[in-house]
Amino acid sequence: GESVGLHLPTLSVQEGDNSIINCAYSNSASDYFIWYKQESGKGPQFIIDIRSNMDKRQGQRVTVLLNKTVKHLSLQIAATQPGDSAVYFCAETRRGGADGLTFGKGTHLIIQP
Amino acid sequence: GAVVSQHPSRVICKSGTSVKIECRSLDFQATTMFWYRQFPKKSLMLMATSNEGSKATYEQGVEKDKFLINHASLTLSTLTVTSAHPEDSSFYICSARLSLTDTQYFGPGTRLTVL
Repeated sequence: GESVGLHLPTLSVQEGDNSIINCAYSNSASDYFIWYKQESGKGPQFIIDIRSNMDKRQGQRVTVLLNKTVKHLSLQIAATQPGDSAVYFCAETRRGGADGLTFGKGTHLIIQP
Repeated sequence: GAVVSQHPSRVICKSGTSVKIECRSLDFQATTMFWYRQFPKKSLMLMATSNEGSKATYEQGVEKDKFLINHASLTLSTLTVTSAHPEDSSFYICSARLSLTDTQYFGPGTRLTVL
């Protein structure tokens, strides 16, 4: 089975609100986690990453939180915009990123006007 | 920076023919590239790891004789789907690992349709 999973297949939020997308992983050996955004018919686009020696990392309008105790990863998007509509995947890997990625099922984020 | 291209973006072929897909890292060198496939409304599944100058490593259940991978240079990996069948129809996506950060950057994908 998959090592990484998502809690919700679809998340609908109002434009301007904050979004939180969750992810659970099961492989305790994973040490590198990445969030990707995928628009229809395109390849995944890197958003933000975090290593297992951290529990929080911030980027521009995005924050990733890692809770290793419960093997949980989340992506927070502040002040969502129409361009944020996409499918978001969490991915995990081992050996600091040298291995291939195991992807979660994905959450489709829908921004309501 | 960290741009990855794929060619072609779409290909339609007849059953039994072979199709080659190219993956290029345009502005960085990648000793390691990866190949994934994605079915409609599904997640990406790792097929194989491509290392420059050596044989590819395939995931369990992926036939190495069917999906030939060549990584002849630090900027190019190719995936050849041999004797393609309709069940091979899928979205094939490559990634290249930026050694400085270990981050994988993805190409735009290749939509393969086998008739």
